[in-house]
Amino acid sequence: DVKVTQSSRYLVKRTGEKVFLECVQDMDHENMFWYRQDPGLGLRLIYFSYDVKMKEKGDIPEGYSVSREKKERFSLILESASTNQTSMYLCASRGQGGYNTEAFFGQGTRLTVV
Amino acid sequence: AQRVTQPEKLLSVFKGAPVELKCNYSYSGSPELFWYVQYSRQRLQLLLRHISRESIKGFTADLNKGETSFHLKKPFAQEEDSAMYYCAPVDSGAGSYQLTFGKGTKLSVIP
Repeated sequence: DVKVTQSSRYLVKRTGEKVFLECVQDMDHENMFWYRQDPGLGLRLIYFSYDVKMKEKGDIPEGYSVSREKKERFSLILESASTNQTSMYLCASRGQGGYNTEAFFGQGTRLTVV
Repeated sequence: AQRVTQPEKLLSVFKGAPVELKCNYSYSGSPELFWYVQYSRQRLQLLLRHISRESIKGFTADLNKGETSFHLKKPFAQEEDSAMYYCAPVDSGAGSYQLTFGKGTKLSVIP
């Protein structure tokens, strides 16, 4: 029973391309997150959204933007991809049931920028 | 600033040995604390949360407010415990949405 789905498992893009990473959840969660996962650096929060059309910067928003037009979908946009954005990207969603609510993760998108 | 520290990048133990994965946090107020785990080729998932006082797959985690620690422990490691473990405090303040993680500890259980 897949609950958080990322549109691509692997992506290869060229430097300068505009890249869209899509994430969809079917749990009617208010909160959605985008992270990048790099060896030795753990999960670093890029952006999160607590409601439709609402977004907040995380720890490393530079070079990224997001879009949340519908509650179930949260998109991460790389305006002009660069090689240092080669990474594993994880999407997560979490309900508003309280601060002890579990987060659910997608399977990840491994992006390579060449 | 809120911060979570997992001091060990890699922890190797023999099968049957005790395991302790360390997590220290620096948060104002009283955060709720979680441990997440990522097994090879699987998605990141919740292992346990402090508020539930539960033991999952033999793991427990004790919150020590004086030391601001939430270490994950298991008395006898199994090979299937090999995975990446992340500590995640969540601010218990009203309106808190952000979910941040430590850098993670890779546990390797040697047969």
